[in-house]
Amino acid sequence: DAGVTQSPTHLIKTRGQQVTLRCSPKSGHDTVSWYQQALGQGPQFIFQYYEEEERQRGNFPDRFSGHQFPNYSSELNVNALLLGDSALYLCASSLAIQGVQETQYFGPGTRLLVL
Amino acid sequence: AQTVTQSQPEMSVQEAETVTLSCTYDTSENNYYLFWYKQPPSRQMILVIRQEAYKQQNATENRFSVNFQKAAKSFSLKISDSQLGDTAMYFCAFMKRRSNYGQNFVFGPGTRLSVLP
Repeated sequence: DAGVTQSPTHLIKTRGQQVTLRCSPKSGHDTVSWYQQALGQGPQFIFQYYEEEERQRGNFPDRFSGHQFPNYSSELNVNALLLGDSALYLCASSLAIQGVQETQYFGPGTRLLVL
Repeated sequence: AQTVTQSQPEMSVQEAETVTLSCTYDTSENNYYLFWYKQPPSRQMILVIRQEAYKQQNATENRFSVNFQKAAKSFSLKISDSQLGDTAMYFCAFMKRRSNYGQNFVFGPGTRLSVLP
């Protein structure tokens, strides 16, 4: 049973560039959430996708956008990168049962460094 | 808005001993889940234990158990017979249980646990 996978594992970008991170959910899951984890802090919720729509969004600017594909995989896009975007980006997947999300399972994360 | 507080930034315990990590939360919701996740240095976030707020019985998973006090909004994690592999950051997390296809975790700041040989 494949767990949540993310790619790439590490990424280095410069300020102003754009980046795309990818996530494949755990088998059988239909919902993907993205989190930003700065060094030494707890994860902060970015947004959640279900049925290819953004269902909820945290306190992140529009530079952060996403997409969910028919196979439930997801992308996180960040435009106009800032130094402060350097963080570990975590993807979590879950299964919605009658609209209620069950436990989220996390991927290994993508470490983004913005220079 | 919900908030989760972990008042112990760092803790240490001797191997084979018992340690308790604290977590308090603030919410006006009545129906929710609480979780403890473990994040080793390898950074993969691993589910340790889950508690449903409507269940009075405290959840247990092998050496891990919780003390859930709903009225006090407290959710502590007890690790028995600590092992070196328990060394990690531990995050307490809250999730509303609502049928609206949009829920997310609110995480605490974490407690760094070191198990000493």
